[in-house]
Amino acid sequence: AQSVTQLDSQVPVFEEAPVELRCNYSSSVSVYLFWYVQYPNQGLQLLLKYLSGSTLVKGINGFEAEFNKSQTSFHLRKPSVHISDTAEYFCAVSISNQGGKLIFGQGTELSVKP
Amino acid sequence: DTGVSQDPRHKITKRGQNVTFRCDPISEHNRLYWYRQTLGQGPEFLTYFQNEAQLEKSRLLSDRFSAERPKGSFSTLEIQRTEQGDSAMYLCASRRQGANTGELFFGEGSRLTVL
Repeated sequence: AQSVTQLDSQVPVFEEAPVELRCNYSSSVSVYLFWYVQYPNQGLQLLLKYLSGSTLVKGINGFEAEFNKSQTSFHLRKPSVHISDTAEYFCAVSISNQGGKLIFGQGTELSVKP
Repeated sequence: DTGVSQDPRHKITKRGQNVTFRCDPISEHNRLYWYRQTLGQGPEFLTYFQNEAQLEKSRLLSDRFSAERPKGSFSTLEIQRTEQGDSAMYLCASRRQGANTGELFFGEGSRLTVL
């Protein structure tokens, strides 16, 4: 069965510092990979996605992620965070023969402090 | 593009009551998904529709839960005889079948509190 593991439940960081949110997945077939952000009491908004091609993908708000097939990882990075990046971040996988549903990790709470 | 719309946004009910949530997907999207999210957890898949056909149901979807999409447009999720453990955010998402973007578009969710 496919699964997604987000290695850090909480990541505190100071404003303008770099950040990395880690995600590993488990699957025996090809996957699509996603990062979503969720602000309090809101739905999920897509940050970026990897479908194929270049393993480094860029998303909104200055975020990027790198797909590493050998390590089955898809870590999210931002070189300099802002207070407004404080939110919950979810990594997800989609399996091509499973109706397009997403399987989510448990989330990482990013807290940016001044 | 009006996005995915969910109603109500918040629902407080007493244990044992029935509740119904509605989801209106993006108009050209023929696939519709329901997820449940409890506090501090990631969304968990419940079920999905392709047009009006319900193609998959998670084991999380107990007999007290039923979802419909009668005309292939909006969908409803009903929970009968609610329990305190049903308290959660219920998220709806949609996408167009065959779209190579792969992503799901989410609504803002319906938060259920069972007292």
